[in-house]
Parts: sequence; structure tokens; C-alpha cells
Amino acid sequence: EVQLVESGGGLVQPGGSLRLSCAASGFTFSSYWMHWVRQAPGKGLVWVSRINSDGRTTTYADSVKGRFTISRDNAKNTLYLQMNSLRAEDTAVYYCARVLVGTKSVLFDYWGQGTLVTVSS
Amino acid sequence: QTVVTQEPSLTVSPGGTVTLTCASSTGAVTSDYYPNWFQQKPGQAPRTLIYSTNNKHSWTPARFSGSLLGGKAALTLSGVQPEDEAEYYCLLYYGGVYVFGTGTKVTVL
Repeated sequence: EVQLVESGGGLVQPGGSLRLSCAASGFTFSSYWMHWVRQAPGKGLVWVSRINSDGRTTTYADSVKGRFTISRDNAKNTLYLQMNSLRAEDTAVYYCARVLVGTKSVLFDYWGQGTLVTVSS
Repeated sequence: QTVVTQEPSLTVSPGGTVTLTCASSTGAVTSDYYPNWFQQKPGQAPRTLIYSTNNKHSWTPARFSGSLLGGKAALTLSGVQPEDEAEYYCLLYYGGVYVFGTGTKVTVL
């Protein structure tokens, strides 16, 4: 059974840092692109970042570029999101998602349950 | 900044049909945008319904279908059930980055 379990969320002051983790199981983690998506309270989904299967290719939304870093440890089946210089507007539930990329297809198929990050003084 | 626009809300009767659309501020949506559609209920993570325009996941009910319609991506719910009441989001690919739509709240009444 495919499982994605996020952790690392919590309360942090503006300007602070936090590292989120997404533990994967039930599939060959090293074969998949992985993404982070966030959702502010009562708001819509926002794509944050992606990383390819070997970790060499990463992409970010403009709103987090230069502040967030996505990475992965395929030996530990874990995805990470290092978040620095946090702002109040980064407050959200952060989801990790598994993405299957084919020749002519992109499938976001499995999602974690999310971890809440609150940026407040 | 790219904006992906969906209808804010739609209401449909049980057993009825409703079509949600997903428009890009950059122009017509094509299959090269690999439209994905997600359903989200309160307090839950999103659940994938449709990927790459019109492909269904193994768990997607047959009453959901995806297409391209008038330069937009579209999600059609036919024979709507009460449990289809939810928020629906589209997602488009822009050559390296992705953008979610603004979301559509579907009410079954």
C-alpha cells in the first residue's frame, strides 16, 4: 500500500526556519518525481516545488524561490522541504504528492495527509 | 503571473450533470498542459480524479470525465451523487512549474 506521511510542521516565528519530511512506503520511491503542495487555511491549493527521481532537477514556485529547498534521500525513502525566511503567508498545510511522469502524461496519484505550518510571533 | 481560473461555485441536482472548466491566463489550454483534476472534501487531502486531460485513475467513478472544451480543460460529472459535493481543483503544467486553478465548490442540492 502506497503511503506518504508528512511531519515536521509546527509553530515558527517570522524569519525562522523549518524542515518538513515526507516518509514514503509501499512503492519504489527512487522511481518517482515528488512534489510539495500547500493550502492556507480556508484557501485553495498552491503548487510549491518538485524534484525528479534522482534529486538532480528541482523547480520552485516564484513565491518560495530562494527561500525553500526541496531535496530527497532515496536510501531513506524520504522527501524534504527546507523552509527558510518564513513569512506569515507561508502558513498552510503542506502536502507531499507522488507524481508519475510518462511520455505524454503527468499523474499526481498519491497524496499525504499534510502537516500544518504556522508562522506567527 | 499565470492565473488559472475556475468557476467559484456551481449547484447541481442529484442525478444531474455539471461541467467545470479550467482556463489559463496565457491562452487556450491544450493537452500539453497535462490537466489534472482533484476532488477535496473538508479536512481531507486532495484526491486525484483525472490526469492528462481525460485519463481516469483506478478509483475514479465512471461518472467523472475530463476533456478539452472551447480552449479550456473541463471536468464533467454525470449522474451526480450527494457524495460528489466537494471542492474541485484543476492543475496545469507550464514547462517546469505547475499552477492550480482557483477551485470550484460544487453543491448538490
